[in-house]
Amino acid sequence: AAGVIQSPRHLIKEKRETATLKCYPIPRHDTVYWYQQGPGQDPQFLISFYEKMQSDKGSIPDRFSAQQFSDYHSELNMSSLELGDSALYFCASSGQANTEAFFGQGTRLTVV
Amino acid sequence: AQSVSQHNHHVILSEAASLELGCNYSYGGTVNLFWYVQYPGQHLQLLLKYFSGDPLVKGIKGFEAEFIKSKFSFNLRKPSVQWSDTAEYFCAVPDTGRRALTFGSGTRLQVQP
Repeated sequence: AAGVIQSPRHLIKEKRETATLKCYPIPRHDTVYWYQQGPGQDPQFLISFYEKMQSDKGSIPDRFSAQQFSDYHSELNMSSLELGDSALYFCASSGQANTEAFFGQGTRLTVV
Repeated sequence: AQSVSQHNHHVILSEAASLELGCNYSYGGTVNLFWYVQYPGQHLQLLLKYFSGDPLVKGIKGFEAEFIKSKFSFNLRKPSVQWSDTAEYFCAVPDTGRRALTFGSGTRLQVQP
């Protein structure tokens, strides 16, 4: 069965650079979520999309933005990267609100 | 907003020992509940879920959880753990009023052979 696909799996950037993370949800899932997981931390909700429209925002810095495209894939854009942005970034999708979310493998971002 | 508490932060067990991890949530209305597992270096995988019906739900790999509405709890159990169960376990609930899952702080389980 198709799963949530994220790319790239690993990314190394320097401070003040920009990064773009991509997410391809499970087909026919209408909701996409982005989470940030720091070392030894629980996943922190960043932002969600429902039917290609931004639905809710969590603790997403102003330096970050995200969008969902007509083919339902989503991108998380991160600018002016800081050392503290180093984390695992997970994308997840679900078929209906409040049902289980299926997570991608994540993108490990390292800012040096 | 919904909140989730996991009181066991780090649990160390020997193989074949029984496991119970606590999870309490704050919202008193209809609630869906999830347990996710994260093996070292991997992504979150769903262990089990509760939506309605039988409050004792069975998941993959021999795990089960019991929903006790009066206690706002959804504890995870396994009668006999294996070394391969070494992982981090997260309880999660949908947030109230927004499309997001709220996760507990996680419990790191270490099973010693």
